[in-house]
Amino acid sequence: AQKVTQAQTEISVVEKEDVTLDCVYETRDTTYYLFWYKQPPSGELVFLIRRNSFDEQNEISGRYSWNFQKSTSSFNFTITASQVVDSAVYFCALSEAGDGGATNKLIFGTGTLLAVQP
Amino acid sequence: DTEVTQTPKHLVMGMTNKKSLKCEQHMGHRAMYWYKQKAKKPPELMFVYSYEKLSINESVPSRFSPECPNSSLLNLHLHALQPEDSALYLCASSQDHRPSAGMFFGSGTQLSVL
Repeated sequence: AQKVTQAQTEISVVEKEDVTLDCVYETRDTTYYLFWYKQPPSGELVFLIRRNSFDEQNEISGRYSWNFQKSTSSFNFTITASQVVDSAVYFCALSEAGDGGATNKLIFGTGTLLAVQP
Repeated sequence: DTEVTQTPKHLVMGMTNKKSLKCEQHMGHRAMYWYKQKAKKPPELMFVYSYEKLSINESVPSRFSPECPNSSLLNLHLHALQPEDSALYLCASSQDHRPSAGMFFGSGTQLSVL
């Protein structure tokens, strides 16, 4: 069965600290896609990154970086030098390719609330 | 234009009212979705439209009725709702229905049922 676990319910850091948000997933599919979304207080879910199961290369985008490790079924997200504007709920999500005819159904983790204090 | 626009942003309705939520995208996406999100919970899928046809209904009660008039518009018609239906309703779109397609979300309609 597919599942996404974000064990950290809330994290509080002081501005300029680095912070890592953990994501562990479960799936029986060999082809799947992993996503991170940011949800600020305004409510909109902002797409941050997509990674497919065949690409384990880590990615960096500005202050954001992602570490994908299939061996531990993890897809962790690090914010370097955090800022107050990073305060939001962050969701990790999984979409399985199934037998090739699957429809996009994002399975979300429970989210991590990140509070960055000035 | 990478926006998914939802209206209204807030809606308060009684249990006997009929109302509609609207969603619009102009990215040429052919898959559109409705999600429901309760406070402090992740979004839960309700409906998926692919090429203007309903492809997934996640056992949603019939008091929620989706409609996709064209490839850019998605509506959610509400009738005889219950207080427990109060939630944030999010619309999303993706290039197509494939799991590889990234979803783009609107900012949602915060619904309160009295």
